[in-house]
Amino acid sequence: EPEVTQTPSHQVTQMGQEVILRCVPISNHLYFYWYRQILGQKVEFLVSFYNNEISEKSEIFDDQFSVERPDGSNFTLKIRSTKLEDSAMYFCASRGNSGRVGIFGQGTRLTVV
Amino acid sequence: GESVGLHLPTLSVQEGDNSIINCAYSNSASDYFIWYKQESGKGPQFIIDIRSNMDKRQGQRVTVLLNKTVKHLSLQIAATQPGDSAVYFCAESPGSGNTGKLIFGQGTTLQVKP
Repeated sequence: EPEVTQTPSHQVTQMGQEVILRCVPISNHLYFYWYRQILGQKVEFLVSFYNNEISEKSEIFDDQFSVERPDGSNFTLKIRSTKLEDSAMYFCASRGNSGRVGIFGQGTRLTVV
Repeated sequence: GESVGLHLPTLSVQEGDNSIINCAYSNSASDYFIWYKQESGKGPQFIIDIRSNMDKRQGQRVTVLLNKTVKHLSLQIAATQPGDSAVYFCAESPGSGNTGKLIFGQGTTLQVKP
């Protein structure tokens, strides 16, 4: 069964450092998303991406965040200068053109120290 | 503002019993709803979905009920098994714009006692 793959599974970084979280969406999907989940809380929408541009973003997705689809397979989330409060699970999701179900990856646990 | 919430944070059931997990949503424009299951350390896993033009949809051991009048969504799991232990989230998709973003509720932890 096709799946969304995220790397790394766990990233520890110093406050103020840049991190890049990587995702390989399902190959024929066209819509891509990043969500985050702070420990013990609900999953929160960050950004949606379609046709090589951001289609919607939340208030959380400020100037410190950016997304990119550098090639035909990867979808990345960059946090320019990490803060302690950026510590969370980050989930990538993708969906096809005909459906509305987002398929989620296993997540990257980001720990900012 | 828009929000999706769950009534109970934890539900404990006996193995073999039926489970009912509830969800309230506030965005009248939402036209699509999904239930996800999240096991510890994993990403949300799709269980079942329902469109706003339906009030009931059944899966293999799960049923989703939608009451648009009171903006209420429920997930029923028949003959609950230990493998059903997880956190369950409802999510809504606002119809306008159709970027496909999902708004998640707080989550209900389902504990299945053997």
